[in-house]
Amino acid sequence: GAVVSQHPSWVICKSGTSVKIECRSLDFQATTMFWYRQFPKQSLMLMATSNEGSKATYEQGVEKDKFLINHASLTLSTLTVTSAHPEDSSFYICSARDSVDLAKNIQYFGAGTRLSVL
Amino acid sequence: SQQGEEDPQALSIQEGENATMNCSYKTSINNLQWYRQNSGRGLVHLILIRSNEREKHSGRLRVTLDTSKKSSSLLITASRAADTASYFCATGKTGTASKLTFGTGTRLQVTL
Repeated sequence: GAVVSQHPSWVICKSGTSVKIECRSLDFQATTMFWYRQFPKQSLMLMATSNEGSKATYEQGVEKDKFLINHASLTLSTLTVTSAHPEDSSFYICSARDSVDLAKNIQYFGAGTRLSVL
Repeated sequence: SQQGEEDPQALSIQEGENATMNCSYKTSINNLQWYRQNSGRGLVHLILIRSNEREKHSGRLRVTLDTSKKSSSLLITASRAADTASYFCATGKTGTASKLTFGTGTRLQVTL
């Protein structure tokens, strides 16, 4: 089955530093990847849609300069949380759509990254 | 705002019992999907039902879709302790093929 690898799974950083999270599709190509944020016991909130070779599309209210997204290849998208602050602490999850099977619109998820900003 | 609202928010049953969770949505959709999330992990796709389908089965899962009521249900039969997880419905809107909007989720606890 389609596998998405997300790293790191857990990161603790100091306030003001930047953190990069990687999302890789291991056995399929993904022209589109998605980044979500999830608060405890809540649903997923879509932050942005990452498009290979072009700029990401951000959801309303998400600061693009705060959450930098790069999708440089068909198998890798990165999310960088810049100048992180304690309120950025959250669970971040990426997903990817298989470029070959777009009609199904099924998303394959990474295991998530728990970010704690001190 | 969230597209899907699910109920119940939490459900606790004993192993062997059936679990039913419901999802309501607001706009026209292409399809509706159900995902499962174990605590602190990513989501796993369970089943997809298209807008022109009314019922679909996969193993112990049964999904129904009523587009006139804009609602769907997920039934897990003969539940097991390993089914303990959060379950989310997700809808793909007509005209926007890529994005999925996730419901609020049902936390299922299956006890021995």
